[in-house]
Amino acid sequence: SAVISQKPSRDICQRGTSLTIQCQVDSQVTMMFWYRQQPGQSLTLIATANQGSEATYESGFVIDKFPISRPNLTFSTLTVSNMSPEDSSIYLCSVDEGSGRTTDTQYFGPGTRLTVL
Amino acid sequence: RKEVEQDPGPFNVPEGATVAFNCTYSNSASQSFFWYRQDCRKEPKLLMSVYSSGNEDGRFTAQLNRASQYISLLIRDSKLSDSATYLCVVARGSSASKIIFGSGTRLSIRP
Repeated sequence: SAVISQKPSRDICQRGTSLTIQCQVDSQVTMMFWYRQQPGQSLTLIATANQGSEATYESGFVIDKFPISRPNLTFSTLTVSNMSPEDSSIYLCSVDEGSGRTTDTQYFGPGTRLTVL
Repeated sequence: RKEVEQDPGPFNVPEGATVAFNCTYSNSASQSFFWYRQDCRKEPKLLMSVYSSGNEDGRFTAQLNRASQYISLLIRDSKLSDSATYLCVVARGSSASKIIFGSGTRLSIRP
């Protein structure tokens, strides 16, 4: 199974600022995924980060608000831009087993707990 | 209506009890089903996949009813360490965008 680390683990930010979250995987993976989990809510996929191409965003999420970088097969960043209190959430990156099957297990990083004041 | 629905709980049961959760899904094209476990302030981790024939892993039994579109998880002889949130996960395609997480059922085991 993949081992995933994220930095920072938590942060408290002021409204209007931006935060970049880093995700590092211990093996090369084709796709990395960014999720958001708001308090008491389920995980919601923000975007899929592909190495060498633009990220694919889900409905309700846009690149200007959540720019993503994927410079290589083991690393990705998610930036939360121009933050508001509504962006307070846990942000998780994940990878799957990469076989393309629906039965692939998803492995998650430990998450970044963001609080926007 | 949410695509995957779970009773949020919390379920508060004594150690040693048997507890069951159900999860319903609305999309009949769903292909794969899972239970993930999420401890407080931790990331979700796969507990078990759910197969059509039902499957068991120690004290945990998962079942799928495609006709009624629900998945169940049964925990026998519950332990204090079973306290967590259990996420029902449904996949209806091979991309991550087709994986839908339920909002979770909180379980608390008391001594």
